[in-house]
Formats: sequence, structure tokens, C-alpha cells
Amino acid sequence: LAKTTQPISMDSYEGQEVNITCSHNNIATNDYITWYQQFPSQGPRFIIQGYKTKVTNEVASLFIPADRKSSTLSLPRVSLSDTAVYYCLVGDFNRDDKIIFGKGTRLHILP
Amino acid sequence: GAVVSQHPSRVICKSGTSVKIECRSLDFQATTMFWYRQFPKKSLMLMATSNEGSKATYEQGVEKDKFLINHASLTLSTLTVTSAHPEDSSFYICSAITSGHLGDTDTQYFGPGTRLTVL
Repeated sequence: LAKTTQPISMDSYEGQEVNITCSHNNIATNDYITWYQQFPSQGPRFIIQGYKTKVTNEVASLFIPADRKSSTLSLPRVSLSDTAVYYCLVGDFNRDDKIIFGKGTRLHILP
Repeated sequence: GAVVSQHPSRVICKSGTSVKIECRSLDFQATTMFWYRQFPKKSLMLMATSNEGSKATYEQGVEKDKFLINHASLTLSTLTVTSAHPEDSSFYICSAITSGHLGDTDTQYFGPGTRLTVL
């Protein structure tokens, strides 16, 4: 079973900030949280990865509360090209854990 | 980020033939690669874990004699769909684990996928 739960879909408008929350109540001590973006007929693309608190890169921010049972991907000022499926994955890649995908969140950006 | 390639990007074959899909890590070595398949509007389903130098580990329900995996080097894993049938038509995606380029932990990168259509 997937370790994560996300909203099935979300709509937003161009220029808005979008926050997608993922629940992972059974996250293990050594697990990291990784978010991917997938467009139709393409492989998932790495967005951001974190363990705790806040991580920011050029495309997104990742907020992880102290209990690590959830995480929030924040996309600033989205555009139409951000319409995609977003997956939150949890696992310990250092142990080559096999990663089971959840259903992901289908984000639809409207003009 | 690290780059994973797949070849071919799409293939059409006749029922009963075998098809080989290659997955390469271009700028890093990967002792572990994963193979997924994805049906339209569905999530990725893990098929098997490919380990360099040893036998692949298959998920429950995945036939190892039908989906042959060979991880012959640290940069190449292949998936061969043997005696393909129309129900094998799907989008096949590989991934590879790269170690520590982000500083903290290993990270999984995905290939662009291979669209297999069996007539």
C-alpha cells in the first residue's frame, strides 16, 4: 500500500500560489519526502525533496511540520504549464526502498 | 538533476513478439533501478526492482518469465516483454537511485517512459 494520501484533484488560476498537502501518518524515521510532477506520456520529474522543516528551490517550497506526518508542496505563481499530476512519495532511498506511488493530485490551472 | 534515458520512446509490435526496453543512467551509476508501468489516467505501478549483478525482485502478480529484467552494468537495465499481447500495451517507466547529490540522501530519478503498443 502507498504510504501517502493526497487530494485527487485541485483547480487554481494563473498567478496564484498553490499548496498541495500530503498525509503520511506512518512515515519512518529514515524516510524522506519527495515530490514529483508528471505530464501526460512523460516520466515523473523531480521537484523537491526534504526531511523536516522547510526546503526551497527555484521552482517550489516544501513545508514539513515537526511531527512529519504531513507535508505541503507550495508552487508560487502558477502558470498554465503547471497543469500536471503531482505525486508525494515517502521512503528511505538510502536503503533502496521500493517506492509505491499513491494516486497523486491532478492540478488544473485555469486562465 | 541526474538524467535517466529510455530507449525506445515508443514501439509498436505484433502480438507474440518480444520487445526490449533499455534504461540508462547517463551521468551516474545506479546499483538499483526500478521498472513501473502506467495505464491511462492511473498512477505508476511498480513491477520490479532491478539490482546490478543479481536477479530482479518482482512485485506480486508480475510474471518474471514474461517481463525479463537484466541489470548488466551500473548504468544499464533492460526490460524485455516476451511474447507480447495487446494487454501488455502500456507506458513503461524506469527509475534509478542516485546517491547524495543533494547532500542529504539518495534521490530517485525517472526516465521519460516507453509507450508500448501491441497489435
